[in-house]
Amino acid sequence: EAGVAQSPRYKIIEKRQSVAFWCNPISGHATLYWYQQILGQGPKLLIQFQNNGVVDDSQLPKDRFSAERLKGVDSTLKIQPAKLEDSAVYLCASSRSGTAYEQYFGPGTRLTVT
Amino acid sequence: KQEVTQIPAALSVPEGENLVLNCSFTDSAIYNLQWFRQDPGKGLTSLLLIQSSQREQTSGRLNASLDKSSGRSTLYIAASQPGDSATYLCAGRGGTDKLIFGTGTRLQVFP
Repeated sequence: EAGVAQSPRYKIIEKRQSVAFWCNPISGHATLYWYQQILGQGPKLLIQFQNNGVVDDSQLPKDRFSAERLKGVDSTLKIQPAKLEDSAVYLCASSRSGTAYEQYFGPGTRLTVT
Repeated sequence: KQEVTQIPAALSVPEGENLVLNCSFTDSAIYNLQWFRQDPGKGLTSLLLIQSSQREQTSGRLNASLDKSSGRSTLYIAASQPGDSATYLCAGRGGTDKLIFGTGTRLQVFP
């Protein structure tokens, strides 16, 4: 079974530029999550999708971050404009529906904003 | 609001030791608790998932326990090896499916 795929793996941009990350979840997983992990901290949930719909985006900075999940499969996370404090690893995870199932994580995208 | 704490923040042990990593959570109303391993520059690898109805789970040299009443989980690693060196994260899952992570324990096992 293929795991969660993410691209790019690394990205360096200047502040005020825009950037987009892509995630392809495990086949059959209806729930998709985007997390932000700042160095030395645990991941923090940014947004959770159930199929096409948003379940939780309470911690997503909506003035600069946006995310979509077209057709309930792939997802993109965008930052526009980026700030220095957005430097972090962005992790995508997926799981089957329901609280009983494990979340599986992709390798992450390391973003550096200069 | 759920908060998850992990102690110690860092641990360095010689190869062969048995060790325990601790995880505490403030809200006992969790559905399950998941332990992860994270290698430098990599994503998270799921190690064990303990449902709220269970008290422990085992996988190879790893054993995780869950005590909801005291708000604690422990990860026991038997006969540690240098390849076990990584950061270990625990995360509690509430009713919205959201995982709340601790800040991790950075483990180094030296030969």
